[in-house]
Amino acid sequence: DTAVSQTPKYLVTQMGNDKSIKCEQNLGHDTMYWYKQDSKKFLKIMFSYNNKELIINETVPNRFSPKSPDKAHLNLHINSLELGDSAVYFCASSQGGWGNANSLQHFGDGTRLSIL
Amino acid sequence: DQQVKQNSPSLSVQEGRISILNCDYTNSMFDYFLWYKKYPAEGPTFLISISSIKDKNEDGRFTVFLNKSAKHLSLHIVPSQPGDSAVYFCAASAFGNDMRFGAGTRLTVKP
Repeated sequence: DTAVSQTPKYLVTQMGNDKSIKCEQNLGHDTMYWYKQDSKKFLKIMFSYNNKELIINETVPNRFSPKSPDKAHLNLHINSLELGDSAVYFCASSQGGWGNANSLQHFGDGTRLSIL
Repeated sequence: DQQVKQNSPSLSVQEGRISILNCDYTNSMFDYFLWYKKYPAEGPTFLISISSIKDKNEDGRFTVFLNKSAKHLSLHIVPSQPGDSAVYFCAASAFGNDMRFGAGTRLTVKP
């Protein structure tokens, strides 16, 4: 009964490749997020979708493209992978959007992306 | 399975009083624990952390306590201020890998 699931859990690939990370939530939430954790502590918002509509697009290289086929899914596609893309990427979901003070977020377990 | 749980979705405290946010975990391999704070329309920001070799870590008004035998940690905020009103996430990791987050507790500090 996983609430927010990300696949794959680990992704090791070479520089220049294109890869995707999938995220699905079964909580019925209307908002989903992608975060990048590039140190032990720092967690940075990348994108957020509300009901399949992009509402946050932070300063992220356009090699990163989110896709939301429906409100339960938010996938992250990355083109031309670079060494600096190595990080853990977390998906999350919430009911109520980004600016909603009452919305708690449920996080996935993370995807560790390693670029060789 | 949810390895990190924050069982209280919300907490309301009077300004000046102590806020205690709780977090339970199930994985005994976790060796590093963090608390994040999130304001609306902002991403979570790191607040304080504790290694499993300690049972207490203090930073100003914020103190994190770790009870390994109970697999429980708590964040104490003393004294609580209205600006502390936010959602607080507990997170845990094992050997620098596999960080798991709780779902958050919304703290409201009333003036």
